Amino acid sequence: QKEVEQNSGPLSVPEGAIASLNCTYSDRVSQSFFWYRQYSGKSPELIMSIYSNGDKEDGRFTAQLNKASQYVSLLIRDSQPSDSATYLCAVRGGWGKFQFGAGTQVVVTP
Amino acid sequence: DTEVTQTPKHLVMGMTNKKSLKCEQHMGHRAMYWYKQKAKKPPELMFVYSYEKLSINESVPSRFSPECPNSSLLNLHLHALQPEDSALYLCASSPHGTGEDTQYFGPGTRLTVL
Repeated sequence: QKEVEQNSGPLSVPEGAIASLNCTYSDRVSQSFFWYRQYSGKSPELIMSIYSNGDKEDGRFTAQLNKASQYVSLLIRDSQPSDSATYLCAVRGGWGKFQFGAGTQVVVTP
Repeated sequence: DTEVTQTPKHLVMGMTNKKSLKCEQHMGHRAMYWYKQKAKKPPELMFVYSYEKLSINESVPSRFSPECPNSSLLNLHLHALQPEDSALYLCASSPHGTGEDTQYFGPGTRLTVL
């Protein structure tokens, strides 16, 4: 079992719709959770961080964390073509190490 | 200033060359990281320096040698690389390397080994 799992996609989303991305992790003592966006050939760019159970909103992005289910998600509202990218879920485990999921490719179609 | 800089942007080297990648941050962060990323794969952690001491070494081949001269600088020395080492090499930094730390990435160095 991978430590951080994401659906690889591609996730095709019509422009203006909501994109829903999911991530599960195996280490129960994981401390903090991050979503990064990565355009092809570029470095990862931080979108959201979340540390407590519940929802956290920042503009069109909402991160949701459920530690009991070991699940973190990212919603992108009013999806735009510029949101087309790979979204990486990252988890800082109990050992302090950053672990990335394989990433979900999102394609926003006009 | 929330920027991590990396030089060079691109590097082409032969298998017998010695080269170095450089990373710099001026955010006062005390943890710095090297990652390797192959196409369509997530970043893979190579090394972590925390307070200028190597704290994580992910069993990386000895042809990669990290160096942290001070809290703002991180180098990756390359020697006798193989073509399969061609990848995007990412540097990142974070305030302390623990807890709720967020990592900020540099733009990367695209390395090609011939």
